[in-house]
Parts: sequence; structure tokens; C-alpha cells
Amino acid sequence: GEDVEQSLFLSVREGDSSVINCTYTDSSSTYLYWYKQEPGAGLQLLTYIFSNMDMKQDQRLTVLLNKKDKHLSLRIADTQTGDSAIYFCAETGNTPLVFGKGTRLSVIA
Amino acid sequence: SAVISQKPSRDICQRGTSLTIQCQVDSQVTMMFWYRQQPGQSLTLIATANQGSEATYESGFVIDKFPISRPNLTFSTLTVSNMSPEDSSIYLCSVEGRATTEAFFGQGTRLTVV
Repeated sequence: GEDVEQSLFLSVREGDSSVINCTYTDSSSTYLYWYKQEPGAGLQLLTYIFSNMDMKQDQRLTVLLNKKDKHLSLRIADTQTGDSAIYFCAETGNTPLVFGKGTRLSVIA
Repeated sequence: SAVISQKPSRDICQRGTSLTIQCQVDSQVTMMFWYRQQPGQSLTLIATANQGSEATYESGFVIDKFPISRPNLTFSTLTVSNMSPEDSSIYLCSVEGRATTEAFFGQGTRLTVV
């Protein structure tokens, strides 16, 4: 089946930029997503990108897509302590959402 | 956006028993999805539930173990049957938004089987 890979942990200082990376195998991906899961809460859709786009910016969030390498990244500018959470990369092509294991972002004050 | 109420939020169950998880949506949706997140693992799709038809199960999941009901366009249940400790997971229901670019999730049910 299709697979999505992410690094499990990332630690950054408050005010720095965070970059969370993701690779996927589905060559028929149409949409790629970033979800945020805060403790005790459900998944929250942060942003998404169509597979025919290279970049999408939404306030502090920048998504970069390299379709050739099947690589997706999420950059969070001016990272705050409230950004501490687990971030899931997901893609959909011919199947419903396929998720990575999630990257736990820790923000150090 | 869709607001999803999922309950129970957590439960501790004895092995061999069954637990039914409920998912209520504040709007009518065609497709509802049930996911499982085992400790340290990816979210995994269990099944897709469409109103008026039997659920479609993913490889590795069967109806006898995870029966699903979808009686109307706003409600679904997932039952975890004859539980064993390996079933300890977070179970999430999800719906698609108006645009298929979005998916909305319930709060999740944290199940511990002892």
C-alpha cells in the first residue's frame, strides 16, 4: 500500500522557524495535507496543497511540494509555544487519506 | 466546517468484551470514515461507511471484528468486538467537508483493553 514517512521529533526555540518534512510514495496523489493534533484534541486541518502546486503560503505557514521527489514540507515561521503539537502529513490519491506517523514538535521558550 | 461529537472519549475495557463508539455530525454527510491510531503508529483507515450500504473495509479489517452502523447521514457507530489488548488504540471518526479537500475529525476515543 501507499506510505507516508515523517521524522518523529523536532525541537526548536521560540521565535525560530520550524520545518517539518514528509515523503510519500503515491504517484497519483492529488491533495496533500498537514494536520495538527494538540493534546486531548482531535486532528485539526492546518493547510493543504494541490499536487499541481509547488508552494502555498498561509500566514505563518509555508508548504513546499517537490512532486518529482515526492517530498512535502511545512515551515512554521516565528514558532510559538502554542505550536507545540504533533503534526501529521497526509495524502490522498486513489484512496482515502494516508497518514504519516506524525512529528512531535517541541518549542523551547 | 463540520462539528463532530465522538463518544466515549476514553474507556478501559476487559478483554473479551465489546465497545461501541458513536460519532455524531452536525450536518449531513455522505461518507464517514473510521480510523485507528495504535501507539507509535500511523493513522490507519479501518473502513468507509456510506449511508444505506454496507461499510467498505480495508485490508486487515473485517466486519465481524469491527461492525459499523450508518443509520442516517449524521450518525455512525463502530463496535470493537471481542477485544484483546492489541485493540488498545485511539479510534477516530472522520467526515469529508463540502470540498473533498477537507476532512474533519472527532476528538477520538482512547481505548485501553486490560
